Amino acid sequence: SQTIHQWPATLVQPVGSPLSLECTVEGTSNPNLYWYRQAAGRGLQLLFYSVGIGQISSEVPQNLSASRPQDRQFILSSKKLLLSDSGFYLCAWSPWGGRPNQPQHFGDGTRLSIL
Amino acid sequence: KQEVTQIPAALSVPEGENLVLNCSFTDSAIYNLQWFRQDPGKGLTSLLLIQSSQREQTSGRLNASLDKSSGRSTLYIAASQPGDSATYLCAVADVLPSGSARQLTFGSGTQLTVLP
Repeated sequence: SQTIHQWPATLVQPVGSPLSLECTVEGTSNPNLYWYRQAAGRGLQLLFYSVGIGQISSEVPQNLSASRPQDRQFILSSKKLLLSDSGFYLCAWSPWGGRPNQPQHFGDGTRLSIL
Repeated sequence: KQEVTQIPAALSVPEGENLVLNCSFTDSAIYNLQWFRQDPGKGLTSLLLIQSSQREQTSGRLNASLDKSSGRSTLYIAASQPGDSATYLCAVADVLPSGSARQLTFGSGTQLTVLP
């Protein structure tokens, strides 16, 4: 069966520090990968998605970047964190091809607090 | 731009009651619709997925319906239990420019509390 792992679960970082959040998927090949953010008092918002190694698309302009160095690895990064980067970050995957009956599956998330 | 609204924002019911959560969306050209459950501080658990060509899906005590033309979906929970307490999120899938990836647009959720 497929599983998705995110780490760390919780992170407290000072403003201006760098960030690296990692997500890996097991049990599938060529997944579509996604990063979402859930900010306090706001709904979930898609930040990045990837349909293959090295292929990253961004849905909103922001201070963050994403990379996919391996087929089942998705990394969310920042060189200098802002207070507004605080939130709950969720990684998700869906099967390549994206048929209508295929859901997106989510990890347990990383709660990021910026001080 | 797709917008998803969930009503009510919060709901408190006694154990055993049947309940309905509502979701509406502005663009009916959706790919599919998913209902998720989120426990406090946790990730999302997929409950049901309804394809755009379907009218409803059932899993155990849960039944989700979809009326694409009116832009509405409902999640029906039968015989509610305290363990059902969580935030329920509705999400609509649209096609992204890549072709195979799908963007989920989420509602703000309904926070459900089932009282013992």
